[in-house]
Amino acid sequence: ILNVEQSPQSLHVQEGDSTNFTCSFPSSNFYALHWYRWETAKSPEALFVMTLNGDEKKKGRISATLNTKEGYSYLYIKGSQPEDSATYLCASVPGSARQLTFGSGTQLTVLP
Amino acid sequence: EAQVTQNPRYLITVTGKKLTVTCSQNMNHEYMSWYRQDPGLGLRQIYYSMNVEVTDKGDVPEGYKVSRKEKRNFPLILESPSPNQTSLYFCASSALGGGNQPQHFGDGTRLSIL
Repeated sequence: ILNVEQSPQSLHVQEGDSTNFTCSFPSSNFYALHWYRWETAKSPEALFVMTLNGDEKKKGRISATLNTKEGYSYLYIKGSQPEDSATYLCASVPGSARQLTFGSGTQLTVLP
Repeated sequence: EAQVTQNPRYLITVTGKKLTVTCSQNMNHEYMSWYRQDPGLGLRQIYYSMNVEVTDKGDVPEGYKVSRKEKRNFPLILESPSPNQTSLYFCASSALGGGNQPQHFGDGTRLSIL
């Protein structure tokens, strides 16, 4: 089983603050890295799928970077809003299979 | 509307009584998968399928069975449920190989095994 770790576990920020969190994954045999946003009482929604070292993706105020050589990805949220409050999950996919291994998530709370 | 549909959404049952959770997608996706979510453990993959008649074990397959006889359906079968299978279950699908495509999740099924 791959070990995918996310930090911090939880985070409280004020509205308007920018924030970021980390996903660490095994760098050997890398295929893809996924980011999902999961709001309470809903199902996870895909944010990004990244495959190339140095990849940067952006969706509105949310962006992500990928370093496959050292095995980490950062998710950034610029100017956090209360509606950004959710758990953010990453998942790693090894090259040998199409099995996704998720981290336990970072729970973000944006205070008005 | 593109969607992944799971049924039932909620189920309370007893130990040993066989149950099936259905999953259907209308996006013609090749890849389908089942996950369970437990507090503090995140999403763990139970089984996945790359296409019809092709299934593989995920991280926690013990106690579960799946089948993929049609492209759109991927049922999860608990032959003899036990209390440690009480959990929130998600079905998901994605296009092509699955690994480099975003997963589309169903609304979840909350199972309680007494």
